[in-house]
Order: sequence, then structure tokens, then C-alpha cells
Amino acid sequence: AQTVTQSQPEMSVQEAETVTLSCTYDTSESDYYLFWYKQPPSRQMILVIRQEAYKQQNATENRFSVNFQKAAKSFSLKISDSQLGDAAMYFCAYLTGTYKYIFGTGTRLKVLA
Amino acid sequence: EPEVTQTPSHQVTQMGQEVILRCVPISNHLYFYWYRQILGQKVEFLVSFYNNEISEKSEIFDDQFSVERPDGSNFTLKIRSTKLEDSAMYFCASKEAGTGKYGYTFGSGTRLTVV
Repeated sequence: AQTVTQSQPEMSVQEAETVTLSCTYDTSESDYYLFWYKQPPSRQMILVIRQEAYKQQNATENRFSVNFQKAAKSFSLKISDSQLGDAAMYFCAYLTGTYKYIFGTGTRLKVLA
Repeated sequence: EPEVTQTPSHQVTQMGQEVILRCVPISNHLYFYWYRQILGQKVEFLVSFYNNEISEKSEIFDDQFSVERPDGSNFTLKIRSTKLEDSAMYFCASKEAGTGKYGYTFGSGTRLTVV
């Protein structure tokens, strides 16, 4: 069965600085999709970025980028130029072949002014 | 941008009562899901639904839970006899046909409080 591990329960970053959130996963599948979701205090699940496993190029969305290391089964999220609005819970997620998400336990990101 | 709509946003119920959580998925989506998040914990899969039947369900989704698509637009989650431990945020999601590369669209959730 697939698993997703986020080893950082909480991270802090100064405004305008860069922070990296870690995620590792385990799977026997060769083709799959990985996602990062942001959950602000409203608790809505907001898609931040996605990565297709068969693509070697790391995904980027404006200030958000990933470092996808398929062999190491690592999928970290880098947030550049951090803003106060980035403060939230961030969940790493693996989409299974039956289109079910396996979520990590989340990393709470604090942005310091 | 199309949205998944969930109602109510917050529901308080007495232990042992039945509750129905309602969701209106995006109109052209064919796959529907419920997830649960107990406060401070991770989001967990409950059930997936396609073509008017359950595709997959988790161990959490026991006999007290049921899902239904009573008409062409609504997708509901019923909890027959609520327990204190059912208190959680419940998210509905939908997905269009095809690959999962774009993931789902989640609703904004229903916070269920069982007292």
C-alpha cells in the first residue's frame, strides 16, 4: 500500500525568504501523480501544485516549485518570496490508481513578518 | 471557476442522531468522493462513487455511513447514528472523466460537531 510521510510538523519562515517542505512517499507503481495542497484556517483544500511521475521536469507555479526525486521517492515543495498569506497547513498527497488520495500528516507553515 | 458546493458549512447534532451532509459536485464531473479530517489530523479517504455505485470505501466507512446521488445534481453522505468520534470536517470532491492528472476539486467542507 502507498504511504506518504511529512516529517516536519511545523516550519517557520521569514517573510520574503524561501522555505522547503519535505515529503516522502512509498509506492510500487511506476506512474502516478503527486500533489501539494494548502489548507488555510478556513480549512478549505486548495491545490498548490501537481507533478506527474513520468515527467522528469519539476513542476512550478509562480512562487511554488517542487523538487521531485523519483528514485528517492521524495517530493518537496519550495516556496519562494514567502508571503503572510502563505501561512497554512500544507499536505502532500499521492493519487492512487483508483483515484484515491493518500495524504501526509501535514506541515504547519508560519510566516514571520 | 466551477465549484463544489457543500451544505451546511457547520452542523451540530446530538449523539445518536442521523445527519445528512450535502454536496453539489461540478456539473460535468462523474466521480465523487467523501473525505474526513478529524481536527488536527490528516485528511482521510472515506468513499468514492461512480455510475451510481460505490467504487471503493475505506475501513472508516462502516455500516453507519451511506452515500447517495438522489438526483442529477446532489451527492449526499448520511451518518445513521452519530458518535462523538464522528466530529470532523467532511470534504466532498468531484473529478471529471479521464486521468487523475488534475486531481480533484474539493468543496469547502462541512464541520460536523457531535455533542
